[in-house]
Amino acid sequence: AQSVTQLGSHVSVSEGALVLLRCNYSSSVPPYLFWYVQYPNQGLQLLLKYTSAATLVKGINGFEAEFKKSETSFHLTKPSAHMSDAAEYFCAVSESGAGSYQLTFGKGTKLSVIP
Amino acid sequence: DTGVSQDPRHKITKRGQNVTFRCDPISEHNRLYWYRQTLGQGPEFLTYFQNEAQLEKSRLLSDRFSAERPKGSFSTLEIQRTEQGDSAMYLCASSLGGGSADTQYFGPGTRLTVL
Repeated sequence: AQSVTQLGSHVSVSEGALVLLRCNYSSSVPPYLFWYVQYPNQGLQLLLKYTSAATLVKGINGFEAEFKKSETSFHLTKPSAHMSDAAEYFCAVSESGAGSYQLTFGKGTKLSVIP
Repeated sequence: DTGVSQDPRHKITKRGQNVTFRCDPISEHNRLYWYRQTLGQGPEFLTYFQNEAQLEKSRLLSDRFSAERPKGSFSTLEIQRTEQGDSAMYLCASSLGGGSADTQYFGPGTRLTVL
Protein backbone atom coordinates (compact mmCIF):
# COMPACT_ATOMS: atom_id res chain seq x y z
CA ALA A 1 0.00 0.00 0.00
CA GLN A 2 1.19 3.50 -0.77
CA SER A 3 1.28 6.43 1.64
CA VAL A 4 2.57 9.99 1.86
CA THR A 5 3.82 11.94 4.87
CA GLN A 6 4.15 15.69 4.73
CA LEU A 7 6.19 17.08 7.59
CA GLY A 8 4.76 20.33 8.92
CA SER A 9 1.11 21.15 8.52
CA HIS A 10 1.99 24.85 8.46
CA VAL A 11 5.16 26.53 7.19
CA SER A 12 5.86 30.27 7.34
CA VAL A 13 8.58 31.97 5.32
CA SER A 14 9.50 35.57 4.66
CA GLU A 15 9.01 37.01 1.20
CA GLY A 16 12.19 36.32 -0.79
CA ALA A 17 13.28 33.41 1.43
CA LEU A 18 13.73 29.80 0.40
CA VAL A 19 10.62 27.64 0.40
CA LEU A 20 11.10 24.00 1.43
CA LEU A 21 8.10 21.71 1.80
CA ARG A 22 8.86 18.13 2.80
CA CYS A 23 7.30 14.97 1.43
CA ASN A 24 8.20 11.35 2.15
CA TYR A 25 6.45 8.45 0.49
CA SER A 26 6.01 4.74 0.91
CA SER A 27 5.35 2.53 -2.07
CA SER A 28 5.82 -1.15 -2.83
CA VAL A 29 6.56 -0.44 -6.50
CA PRO A 30 8.34 2.42 -8.27
CA PRO A 31 6.21 5.46 -7.62
CA TYR A 32 4.98 8.36 -9.60
CA LEU A 33 5.01 11.50 -7.46
CA PHE A 34 3.07 14.73 -7.74
CA TRP A 35 2.85 18.10 -6.06
CA TYR A 36 -0.44 19.98 -6.25
CA VAL A 37 -1.30 23.46 -4.98
CA GLN A 38 -4.72 24.51 -3.73
CA TYR A 39 -5.71 28.16 -3.45
CA PRO A 40 -8.79 29.07 -1.39
CA ASN A 41 -12.04 28.19 -3.15
CA GLN A 42 -10.20 26.68 -6.08
CA GLY A 43 -9.44 23.17 -7.28
CA LEU A 44 -6.07 21.51 -7.00
CA GLN A 45 -3.58 22.56 -9.64
CA LEU A 46 -0.60 20.44 -10.66
CA LEU A 47 2.76 22.05 -9.91
CA LEU A 48 4.99 19.22 -11.12
CA LYS A 49 5.31 15.45 -11.34
CA TYR A 50 8.01 12.79 -11.31
CA THR A 51 7.51 9.90 -13.72
CA SER A 52 10.87 8.09 -13.57
CA ALA A 53 12.75 10.27 -16.02
CA ALA A 54 14.95 13.02 -14.55
CA THR A 55 15.14 12.99 -10.77
CA LEU A 56 15.11 16.80 -10.60
CA VAL A 57 11.74 18.00 -11.81
CA LYS A 58 10.96 21.60 -12.65
CA GLY A 59 7.41 22.84 -12.43
CA ILE A 60 5.37 25.96 -12.78
CA ASN A 61 5.86 29.21 -10.87
CA GLY A 62 9.56 28.51 -10.20
CA PHE A 63 9.02 25.39 -8.10
CA GLU A 64 11.11 22.26 -8.38
CA ALA A 65 11.39 18.92 -6.59
CA GLU A 66 14.01 16.22 -6.40
CA PHE A 67 13.22 12.51 -6.25
CA LYS A 68 15.58 10.72 -3.85
CA LYS A 69 14.94 7.00 -3.83
CA SER A 70 17.38 6.28 -1.00
CA GLU A 71 15.53 8.75 1.24
CA THR A 72 12.05 8.00 -0.18
CA SER A 73 11.61 11.75 -0.45
CA PHE A 74 10.25 14.25 -2.94
CA HIS A 75 10.70 17.65 -1.30
CA LEU A 76 9.39 20.79 -3.00
CA THR A 77 11.56 23.92 -3.16
CA LYS A 78 11.50 27.43 -4.51
CA PRO A 79 14.49 29.76 -4.17
CA SER A 80 12.54 32.92 -3.43
CA ALA A 81 9.02 33.05 -1.99
CA HIS A 82 6.42 35.44 -3.36
CA MET A 83 3.28 36.57 -1.61
CA SER A 84 1.28 34.81 -4.30
CA ASP A 85 2.76 31.45 -3.20
CA ALA A 86 0.61 31.46 -0.06
CA ALA A 87 -1.60 28.40 -0.46
CA GLU A 88 -1.92 24.77 0.62
CA TYR A 89 0.38 22.25 -1.00
CA PHE A 90 -0.26 18.54 -1.35
CA CYS A 91 2.15 15.77 -2.21
CA ALA A 92 0.66 12.67 -3.84
CA VAL A 93 1.81 9.26 -5.03
CA SER A 94 0.49 6.75 -7.51
CA GLU A 95 1.89 3.31 -8.19
CA SER A 96 3.35 2.53 -11.58
CA GLY A 97 2.11 -0.55 -13.37
CA ALA A 98 -0.28 -1.53 -10.62
CA GLY A 99 -3.39 -1.02 -12.70
CA SER A 100 -4.65 1.41 -10.09
CA TYR A 101 -4.85 5.04 -10.99
CA GLN A 102 -5.81 6.56 -7.68
CA LEU A 103 -3.68 9.24 -6.14
CA THR A 104 -2.83 8.94 -2.46
CA PHE A 105 -2.35 12.38 -0.93
CA GLY A 106 -0.57 13.65 2.13
CA LYS A 107 -2.39 15.83 4.63
CA GLY A 108 -1.09 18.99 3.09
CA THR A 109 1.16 21.86 4.15
CA LYS A 110 -0.22 25.37 4.39
CA LEU A 111 2.38 27.90 3.30
CA SER A 112 2.23 31.43 4.66
CA VAL A 113 4.45 34.15 3.20
CA ILE A 114 5.30 37.04 5.50
CA PRO A 115 5.92 40.43 3.88
CA ASP B 1 -10.58 23.45 -22.74
CA THR B 2 -12.85 24.86 -20.08
CA GLY B 3 -11.61 22.72 -17.20
CA VAL B 4 -13.48 20.38 -14.90
CA SER B 5 -16.73 21.82 -13.58
CA GLN B 6 -18.81 20.72 -10.62
CA ASP B 7 -22.33 21.55 -9.59
CA PRO B 8 -23.44 22.66 -7.11
CA ARG B 9 -20.50 24.37 -5.45
CA HIS B 10 -22.19 24.26 -2.07
CA LYS B 11 -24.91 22.05 -0.67
CA ILE B 12 -26.50 22.19 2.75
CA THR B 13 -28.82 19.37 3.66
CA LYS B 14 -30.42 17.79 6.68
CA ARG B 15 -29.37 14.42 7.99
CA GLY B 16 -31.22 11.62 6.27
CA GLN B 17 -31.77 13.45 2.99
CA ASN B 18 -30.37 12.31 -0.34
CA VAL B 19 -28.03 14.54 -2.34
CA THR B 20 -26.62 14.32 -5.84
CA PHE B 21 -23.57 16.07 -7.26
CA ARG B 22 -22.59 16.47 -10.89
CA CYS B 23 -19.16 16.59 -12.49
CA ASP B 24 -18.39 17.59 -16.07
CA PRO B 25 -14.85 16.53 -17.02
CA ILE B 26 -12.61 18.08 -19.61
CA SER B 27 -14.04 17.03 -22.93
CA GLU B 28 -12.50 13.86 -24.38
CA HIS B 29 -10.96 12.85 -21.07
CA ASN B 30 -11.68 9.17 -20.72
CA ARG B 31 -10.99 8.84 -17.01
CA LEU B 32 -12.98 10.46 -14.22
CA TYR B 33 -12.26 10.30 -10.50
CA TRP B 34 -14.09 11.21 -7.31
CA TYR B 35 -12.26 12.17 -4.12
CA ARG B 36 -13.43 13.38 -0.73
CA GLN B 37 -11.55 15.97 1.32
CA THR B 38 -12.31 16.66 4.96
CA LEU B 39 -10.94 19.54 7.01
CA GLY B 40 -7.23 19.26 7.62
CA GLN B 41 -6.82 16.24 5.39
CA GLY B 42 -5.70 15.62 1.85
CA PRO B 43 -8.13 14.30 -0.72
CA GLU B 44 -9.07 10.63 -0.35
CA PHE B 45 -9.89 8.48 -3.35
CA LEU B 46 -13.48 7.27 -3.68
CA THR B 47 -13.90 5.80 -7.16
CA TYR B 48 -12.91 6.11 -10.79
CA PHE B 49 -14.38 5.50 -14.23
CA GLN B 50 -12.79 4.68 -17.51
CA ASN B 51 -15.35 5.85 -20.03
CA GLU B 52 -18.66 4.58 -18.60
CA ALA B 53 -17.18 1.66 -16.64
CA GLN B 54 -16.63 2.05 -12.90
CA LEU B 55 -13.35 0.22 -12.43
CA GLU B 56 -12.30 0.89 -8.87
CA LYS B 57 -14.02 1.71 -5.60
CA SER B 58 -12.53 2.63 -2.27
CA ARG B 59 -13.67 0.99 0.95
CA LEU B 60 -14.70 4.54 1.90
CA LEU B 61 -17.52 4.25 -0.61
CA SER B 62 -20.21 2.72 1.58
CA ASP B 63 -23.43 1.33 0.14
CA ARG B 64 -25.06 4.72 0.69
CA PHE B 65 -22.85 6.14 -2.06
CA SER B 66 -23.36 5.49 -5.73
CA ALA B 67 -21.65 6.97 -8.75
CA GLU B 68 -22.51 6.79 -12.41
CA ARG B 69 -21.10 7.95 -15.70
CA PRO B 70 -23.81 6.83 -18.08
CA LYS B 71 -22.46 7.95 -21.42
CA GLY B 72 -18.82 8.27 -20.57
CA SER B 73 -19.09 12.04 -20.26
CA PHE B 74 -20.45 13.69 -17.10
CA SER B 75 -20.73 11.81 -13.82
CA THR B 76 -23.01 11.96 -10.80
CA LEU B 77 -22.29 11.05 -7.21
CA GLU B 78 -25.30 10.34 -5.02
CA ILE B 79 -25.30 10.00 -1.26
CA GLN B 80 -28.41 8.48 0.26
CA ARG B 81 -29.52 8.99 3.85
CA THR B 82 -26.80 11.54 4.53
CA GLU B 83 -25.00 11.53 7.87
CA GLN B 84 -23.09 14.33 9.58
CA GLY B 85 -19.89 12.44 8.87
CA ASP B 86 -20.52 12.92 5.15
CA SER B 87 -19.81 16.65 5.51
CA ALA B 88 -16.78 17.24 3.30
CA MET B 89 -15.57 18.69 0.03
CA TYR B 90 -16.25 16.31 -2.86
CA LEU B 91 -13.72 16.70 -5.64
CA CYS B 92 -13.92 15.45 -9.19
CA ALA B 93 -10.92 15.03 -11.49
CA SER B 94 -10.41 13.85 -15.03
CA SER B 95 -7.49 12.63 -17.10
CA LEU B 96 -6.72 11.55 -20.60
CA GLY B 97 -4.86 8.45 -21.12
CA GLY B 98 -3.22 5.45 -20.37
CA GLY B 99 -1.36 5.19 -17.11
CA SER B 100 -0.93 6.08 -13.49
CA ALA B 101 1.46 8.88 -14.42
CA ASP B 102 -1.32 10.81 -16.12
CA THR B 103 -2.08 14.26 -14.77
CA GLN B 104 -5.43 14.44 -13.03
CA TYR B 105 -7.16 17.80 -13.49
CA PHE B 106 -9.37 18.77 -10.59
CA GLY B 107 -12.59 20.70 -10.43
CA PRO B 108 -13.36 23.31 -7.74
CA GLY B 109 -15.31 20.82 -5.64
CA THR B 110 -18.75 20.62 -4.05
CA ARG B 111 -18.81 21.46 -0.36
CA LEU B 112 -21.43 19.39 1.46
CA THR B 113 -22.69 20.36 4.90
CA VAL B 114 -25.00 17.92 6.65
CA LEU B 115 -26.92 19.45 9.56
